[in-house]
Amino acid sequence: SAVISQKPSRDICQRGTSLTIQCQVDSQVTMMFWYRQQPGQSLTLIATANQGSEATYESGFVIDKFPISRPNLTFSTLTVSNMSPEDSSIYLCSVDLETDTQYFGPGTRLTVL
Amino acid sequence: GESVGLHLPTLSVQEGDNSIINCAYSNSASDYFIWYKQESGKGPQFIIDIRSNMDKRQGQRVTVLLNKTVKHLSLQIAATQPGDSAVYFCAEKTEYGNKLVFGAGTILRVKS
Repeated sequence: SAVISQKPSRDICQRGTSLTIQCQVDSQVTMMFWYRQQPGQSLTLIATANQGSEATYESGFVIDKFPISRPNLTFSTLTVSNMSPEDSSIYLCSVDLETDTQYFGPGTRLTVL
Repeated sequence: GESVGLHLPTLSVQEGDNSIINCAYSNSASDYFIWYKQESGKGPQFIIDIRSNMDKRQGQRVTVLLNKTVKHLSLQIAATQPGDSAVYFCAEKTEYGNKLVFGAGTILRVKS
């Protein structure tokens, strides 16, 4: 498995602002993923982030709203831009250890007022 | 498209009883399945996985059953404990990609 940390663990933000979420892994991984979990719902994949290439976004998610960085094999950031209350969710990063299994970070709980 | 769904959104069991959480999937190309447990305020935690060339896999107090004929997956928890109270998600992956598709989730409540 892998030890994954996220910062911040939670935040309350004003609409129209942006928040950058960090994800740190204790080992080098090729593939990292960002998910959104809206209140009381399941996980939805936002994008796949591979080091050295642009992130691949899922249908319904765009780079302008959710820019992602992947500067090295242990770190990634997700920015939630121009936030609205509908962006209030848990944002989770995960890693694929090339065993097919994905391991998740603790999540960032975002509330937008 | 691919989708994964669950039959029971909430399951209440008595402490000590066995729990069975079900999941249906629609993508016959899926070849890898995972069960996750998510406790309140935490990220999903890996419980057990199974590949499509198997129909049963056992872990500590947990068993996953896969029926490819009817595209059904189940998680059995033996001697359910209060600490098992959580939301359980099944997820599937196809051999053609690295994406996981998650089911809707089942809330497991353990009554003492």
